[in-house]
Amino acid sequence: DAGVIQSPRHEVTEMGQEVTLRCKPISGHNSLFWYRQTMMRGLELLIYFNNNVPIDDSGMPEDRFSAKMPNASFSTLKIQPSEPRDSAVYFCASSGSSGRTDTQYFGPGTRLTVL
Amino acid sequence: TQLLEQSPQFLSIQEGENLTVYCNSSSVFSSLQWYRQEPGEGPVLLVTVVTGGEVKKLKRLTFQFGDARKDSSLHITAAQPGDTGLYLCAGASHTGNQFYFGTGTSLTVIP
Repeated sequence: DAGVIQSPRHEVTEMGQEVTLRCKPISGHNSLFWYRQTMMRGLELLIYFNNNVPIDDSGMPEDRFSAKMPNASFSTLKIQPSEPRDSAVYFCASSGSSGRTDTQYFGPGTRLTVL
Repeated sequence: TQLLEQSPQFLSIQEGENLTVYCNSSSVFSSLQWYRQEPGEGPVLLVTVVTGGEVKKLKRLTFQFGDARKDSSLHITAAQPGDTGLYLCAGASHTGNQFYFGTGTSLTVIP
């Protein structure tokens, strides 16, 4: 299996621009998670989906952030408009179910820089 | 809100030394996981502990879940350069649907 695939790997944009991050989970997994990692705040859960349905988006920083999962094999995280403080590494992870002992498989991340 | 605090934040040791990393919280977790993350990559799961007091061993790594399921430790024996990385603990909510990650411990093992 190819694992969790994220694109792009690196994104540099200017403040105010729209940014879209993409994720393809592992085939057959039914839970998908979006995380943000910074030096100051560590790894933070933004939102997670189960069977393509958003279950908890309480970690989404503000209305500028939105996430969708139109089908079991694709999800997007959109930031509009982007701000310099959004600069971080964004990870997507998937797991086989929502069980508390399940393994989350992380993608390689997208490093976002907002100038 | 950061529910899990890890210590130390940074650790640099010589090859062959032993070390312990701690993960502490005031919250009770239904399970706890340890991950290792290397530069430019996502975290990779090392182990999951579920029962209070549980001890799991993975080669030179020993993981323990506190009796009250609020804390955990990771002990590495005879550290090797390949152990270098960011170690993260993550506690599962009681619903089991979310994991809250710790602040991380950056380990460097010098050859």
